[in-house]
Amino acid sequence: EIVLTQSPGTLSLSPGERATLSCRASQSVSSSYLAWYQQKPGQAPRLLIYGASSRATGIPDRFGGSESGTDFTLTISGLEPEDFAVYYCQQYGSSPWTFGQGTKVEIK
Amino acid sequence: QVQLQESGPGLVKPSQTLSLTCTVSGGSISSASYFWSWIRQPAGKGLEWIGRVYTSGSPYYSPSLRSRVTISVDTSKNQFSLNLSSVTAADTAVYYCALATRQYGGNSGLFEYWGQGTLVTVSS
Repeated sequence: EIVLTQSPGTLSLSPGERATLSCRASQSVSSSYLAWYQQKPGQAPRLLIYGASSRATGIPDRFGGSESGTDFTLTISGLEPEDFAVYYCQQYGSSPWTFGQGTKVEIK
Repeated sequence: QVQLQESGPGLVKPSQTLSLTCTVSGGSISSASYFWSWIRQPAGKGLEWIGRVYTSGSPYYSPSLRSRVTISVDTSKNQFSLNLSSVTAADTAVYYCALATRQYGGNSGLFEYWGQGTLVTVSS
C-alpha cells in the first residue's frame, strides 16, 4: 500500500498569498496517477487536479500541480477567500487507492 | 450531471452490520465505464477508500476491510450498497459514495462525483 504524507499540517496565509502544499509518496506512483481534492466543512471533497498536473473541468487556473519523483506539489497562486479549506492528495496508481492526511489552509 | 445520495441508519450497535445505500440519478449504474466506490472519513480525520464495484466485473475491497465488507449493485433501482459487518466504534465516520467515470483517463480510482455523505455512529 502506498502511504502519502502531506506537509505542512496547517498553512496560515493571507488572501492573495501563494500557497504551496506538499505530498510525498512512500513509493513510485504509477503513471503519475496523483490527484488533489479540496474539502470545505460539511462538504464532500471536490476533485481539483488529476494526473499530478491537470486541472479538472471548471477548476480555476490559479490551482496548479507538479511532481518530482515521489514528491508532488499543489500550488495556489493567489489565495481567494473561497480557497481556505482542507486539501487532500490521493494516489490511484496502485490498489488500494490511498489518501494523504490532509493540509488545512487557514486564514492568517 | 450525475448525482449521488447516501441513505441508511445513522446509528448502529456494536457487533452489528452497517448497511448504506447510494442512489444514483442523472446516469446509469449499468454504464460499463462507471466505477462505484465507498469512502469514509472519521470526524476530523482523513479519507479511507473502502471498496468499489461495477456492473461488468467483480467488486474489489481494501485489504484492511476485506473480511467485513460487501458492496453490491441493484441495477433495477439504480443503486449500490455497502454492508460492513461486526462494526465497532472505530467504524464511526461519515460515509461517502463516489463515482469514477474515467473521463480523465486513468482507472477506477479517480473520484469525480461524490455524494454529500452520511454520518454513521456506532454506539450502544
